[in-house]
Amino acid sequence: QKEVEQNSGPLSVPEGAIASLNCTYSDRGSQSFFWYRQYSGKSPELIMSIYSNGDKEDGRFTAQLNKASQYVSLLIRDSQPSDSATYLCAVNIYNQGGKLIFGQGTELSVKP
Amino acid sequence: DTEVTQTPKHLVMGMTNKKSLKCEQHMGHRAMYWYKQKAKKPPELMFVYSYEKLSINESVPSRFSPECPNSSLLNLHLHALQPEDSALYLCASSQDREGTDTQYFGPGTRLTVL
Repeated sequence: QKEVEQNSGPLSVPEGAIASLNCTYSDRGSQSFFWYRQYSGKSPELIMSIYSNGDKEDGRFTAQLNKASQYVSLLIRDSQPSDSATYLCAVNIYNQGGKLIFGQGTELSVKP
Repeated sequence: DTEVTQTPKHLVMGMTNKKSLKCEQHMGHRAMYWYKQKAKKPPELMFVYSYEKLSINESVPSRFSPECPNSSLLNLHLHALQPEDSALYLCASSQDREGTDTQYFGPGTRLTVL
């Protein structure tokens, strides 16, 4: 079983819709969770970080964490064509020296 | 300011060349990282430096040699690379190596080995 799994994608949504990106992780020692956005040919850019159960909102983005279910998600409201990118879920496991475990990424396409 | 800079942006080298990638951050971060990313794949950790000391080496071949001259700089020395080493090389930094510390990535160096 992969340590961090994401929707295989690609995910296509119309402009203005809600995009839902999901991530599950296997290690219960996971303590912090990150969503990065990566445009083609560019480097990962932090979108959200979340450390405790519940929702965290930042503008059009909401991260949700459920440690009991080992599940973290990212919702993008009012999706825009500029949101089209690959979204990487990353997990930091306690006592691993700062090592981030990445999922394979979900490619999102927002159609005008 | 959460800026990590990397030079060069692009690098083309032959298999017998020696070159270096450079990374710099001025955020006072004490942990710095090198990642390698192939197309359509997530970043793969190569090395972690903490307080200027190498703390993690993910079994990277010796043709990649990291160096941390001071707390703001991280280099990756390249020698006798193979074409399969062609990739995007990413540097990142974080406040420390604590699990809650966010890693900020630089723009990357696109490396092509001929």
